[in-house]
Amino acid sequence: GQQVMQIPQYQHVQEGEDFTTYCNSSTTLSNIQWYKQRPGGHPVFLIQLVKSGEVKKQKRLTFQFGEAKKNSSLHITATQTTDVGTYFCAGLGTSGSRLTFGEGTQLTVNP
Amino acid sequence: DTEVTQTPKHLVMGMTNKKSLKCEQHMGHRAMYWYKQKAKKPPELMFVYSYEKLSINESVPSRFSPECPNSSLLNLHLHALQPEDSALYLCASSQDRPTTEQYFGPGTRLTVT
Repeated sequence: GQQVMQIPQYQHVQEGEDFTTYCNSSTTLSNIQWYKQRPGGHPVFLIQLVKSGEVKKQKRLTFQFGEAKKNSSLHITATQTTDVGTYFCAGLGTSGSRLTFGEGTQLTVNP
Repeated sequence: DTEVTQTPKHLVMGMTNKKSLKCEQHMGHRAMYWYKQKAKKPPELMFVYSYEKLSINESVPSRFSPECPNSSLLNLHLHALQPEDSALYLCASSQDRPTTEQYFGPGTRLTVT
């Protein structure tokens, strides 16, 4: 079945440093979605990427979808304490029936 | 209204109990989901309802029984659970298919004793 690998599992940064998490799928994806889950909270949708090579920005967050539609990344510039949480990528296979979540990257930011 | 509500927030039940988790959304979404999430793990899909019909059952044990009474409501009936079923149970909805963003509820923290 489809597998989505995500690295790193944990990332500790000082406030103001940049952060990147990477996602790799074993198969070509229809789209990839990114979610953020704060400690004690629930996943919250951030963005969806559909096109090969797509890049989208949300303020300090930059999302990329690879040319082969098998990998993606989330980059946060100048992290803030409000960025703390676990970031999950979730890939939709070409059958379009279910999302497969990566293992997530837990980000902690030291003030 | 972009909210998915879930009740109860917390539930403690014994292995012989029967209980139900409830989920509600008023966004007009036609796809609804149950996920199970263990600590420090991603959400794990259990069931998908599409237009009130069960479309995906991820080989979930029969002690979990989903129900979709109407397009706004989703229930998960629990019976004879095991301690390893203790987890956060998340409900989510999306417009019609998983291709669009999913809105998650706050979850029910279930403890089986």
